[in-house]
Amino acid sequence: GENVEQHPSTLSVQEGDSAVIKCTYSDSASNYFPWYKQELGKGPQLIIDIRSNVGEKKDQRIAVTLNKTAKHFSLHITETQPEDSAVYFCAAVGMDSNYQLIWGAGTKLIIKP
Amino acid sequence: SAVISQKPSRDICQRGTSLTIQCQVDSQVTMMFWYRQQPGQSLTLIATANQGSEATYESGFVIDKFPISRPNLTFSTLTVSNMSPEDSSIYLCSVEGAGGGNFYEQYFGPGTRLTVT
Repeated sequence: GENVEQHPSTLSVQEGDSAVIKCTYSDSASNYFPWYKQELGKGPQLIIDIRSNVGEKKDQRIAVTLNKTAKHFSLHITETQPEDSAVYFCAAVGMDSNYQLIWGAGTKLIIKP
Repeated sequence: SAVISQKPSRDICQRGTSLTIQCQVDSQVTMMFWYRQQPGQSLTLIATANQGSEATYESGFVIDKFPISRPNLTFSTLTVSNMSPEDSSIYLCSVEGAGGGNFYEQYFGPGTRLTVT
């Protein structure tokens, strides 16, 4: 079945710098890749997603890139701000897992003032 | 997207008792999901709840322990039965296809933080 690996587990960056979180997936048939942000004490919030028919998608300071050949996708956050501090999860649709989302382990992003 | 509420937001329960968690959505949705999230961990799918049919449970989760109801397209409940301290976790409901949203997009409620003593 689908397996999603996420790196790093913790990422600390200076405020204003960029942050990049990477995920790899195993099922080449997967076609949907969302990213979620989870703040302390809250449920996960969908922040951006990408489908397999595009290579990149941007929304203000965040962007996601997808490399289908290498089976990896990345979240890019530019000009980081203190409110970006949270845990970020990637996921992929598992085609042989009844189309359920298969989740990465999460990345704790710390923005240093 | 969708506005999803959960009740209770948190609870402390004694072992051996049961707790029913409610999930309410502000629009009709086809798919509703229940997840468990251990502290500091990722999300684990418990079951998928579709209106008008039995819930579909993932490996490691059984109906006797986690009975689910889905009486209509905006509401679902998850019961955690005969609780033990190992059930202490965050329980999250999510929905897919809310407000005519795209396929696969899931939106989450705020979660129910359960502590079993």
